[in-house]
Amino acid sequence: EPEVTQTPSHQVTQMGQEVILRCVPISNHLYFYWYRQILGQKVEFLVSFYNNEISEKSEIFDDQFSVERPDGSNFTLKIRSTKLEDSAMYFCAGQGGKNYGYTFGSGTRLTVV
Amino acid sequence: AQKITQTQPGMFVQEKEAVTLDCTYDTSDQSYGLFWYKQPSSGEMIFLIYQGSYDEQNATEGRYSLNFQKARKSANLVISASQLGDSAMYFCAMREILYGNNRLAFGKGNQVVVIP
Repeated sequence: EPEVTQTPSHQVTQMGQEVILRCVPISNHLYFYWYRQILGQKVEFLVSFYNNEISEKSEIFDDQFSVERPDGSNFTLKIRSTKLEDSAMYFCAGQGGKNYGYTFGSGTRLTVV
Repeated sequence: AQKITQTQPGMFVQEKEAVTLDCTYDTSDQSYGLFWYKQPSSGEMIFLIYQGSYDEQNATEGRYSLNFQKARKSANLVISASQLGDSAMYFCAMREILYGNNRLAFGKGNQVVVIP
């Protein structure tokens, strides 16, 4: 079963630093997403990406965030100047395939200190 | 407004028993999809089952089945013959297809603990 791969699995960063979270989606997926889950809370949509551009974003996805697919395979989420409240699990997901569903990566746990 | 409501408190289930997890949703869209995901303590999100709004049959995937009651806007997950490995958080989610919206809206989750 193809997988969505996320790296790193854990990242600790100092407040104000930039972080880049990486994802390798499944090759035949067309839509890509970032979601986040603050500890103990529900999963929240951040952004969707299709045809090399953002197709939709939530109110959470402000100017601190950016996404790109620099080499046609990796899909990255950048947070420019991290805040304490950015501490969360970040999930990459792709859509495509027979289950109509979204295949999620195993997540990156980001801790901002 | 909440799109997905999961209000059950944490549940303890005896191994081999069935458990039903409640999910109600709110949408004015006629075309939507409903999903259930499992999140074990390791944190990953595992897709379990999908129900389309136009599907006439309730979805089933192995030990998972979805009790879809469209008029009541509910999409309850039934896990039959619980196993210890079923201990996890379970999230109900919805995709509204209106205007090509592809985002998933998640509920707050149900915690299930299976006891031997």
